[in-house]
Amino acid sequence: AQKITQTQPGMFVQEKEAVTLDCTYDTSDQSYGLFWYKQPSSGEMIFLIYQGSYDEQNATEGRYSLNFQKARKSANLVISASQLGDSAMYFCAMNSNNAGNMLTFGGGTRLMVKP
Amino acid sequence: TAGITQAPTSQILAAGRSMTLRCTQDMRHNAMYWYRQDLGLGLRLIHYSNTAGTTGKGEVPDGYSVSRANTDDFPLTLASAVPSQTSVYFCASSDFPSGGADEQFFGPGTRLTVL
Repeated sequence: AQKITQTQPGMFVQEKEAVTLDCTYDTSDQSYGLFWYKQPSSGEMIFLIYQGSYDEQNATEGRYSLNFQKARKSANLVISASQLGDSAMYFCAMNSNNAGNMLTFGGGTRLMVKP
Repeated sequence: TAGITQAPTSQILAAGRSMTLRCTQDMRHNAMYWYRQDLGLGLRLIHYSNTAGTTGKGEVPDGYSVSRANTDDFPLTLASAVPSQTSVYFCASSDFPSGGADEQFFGPGTRLTVL
């Protein structure tokens, strides 16, 4: 069984500063994918970034980067130059090639950006 | 492009009544999913379908049924609703396996309250 743990229920960050959202995972599978989704107050789920377990380079998408440490089973999301629009819930999720494309989600981190 | 549409947007349902939540995608994705999100928590998979004509159970399938008669539609039925099924329901789809990230695209959600 897979498990995702997000230990930060809520975080504050000052506008224009960088912030790291923590995510650790547990799986016995060798091939898997890690995802981050953003859920603003409007409720929709927005895909941000993906990291494959065999990818050697950390994934980056604009201001988002994924700090992937395979040995520690962590996949932290780094948001650079925070903006007020980044205030939202952030969910870490994973799939496994042994289990189709079903996603297991963490409990989420609420990020609040202060002006 | 509409992506994924869900109907209704919200619904109040009396306990014991049945209801079908509708989900339609226009991306020709082969895989579709139903998740529920309870207040303050991450999403949990209810049922999934990797291709038209097949379905499978997720983490929390009890009390729900699905069908996949064609590629575009994936309705979720509650045969006899109970208050614990009060939740926000998200439908998602993905082009799986794509050889890439296989990210899931989410609909806007249906907010269901069972009284």
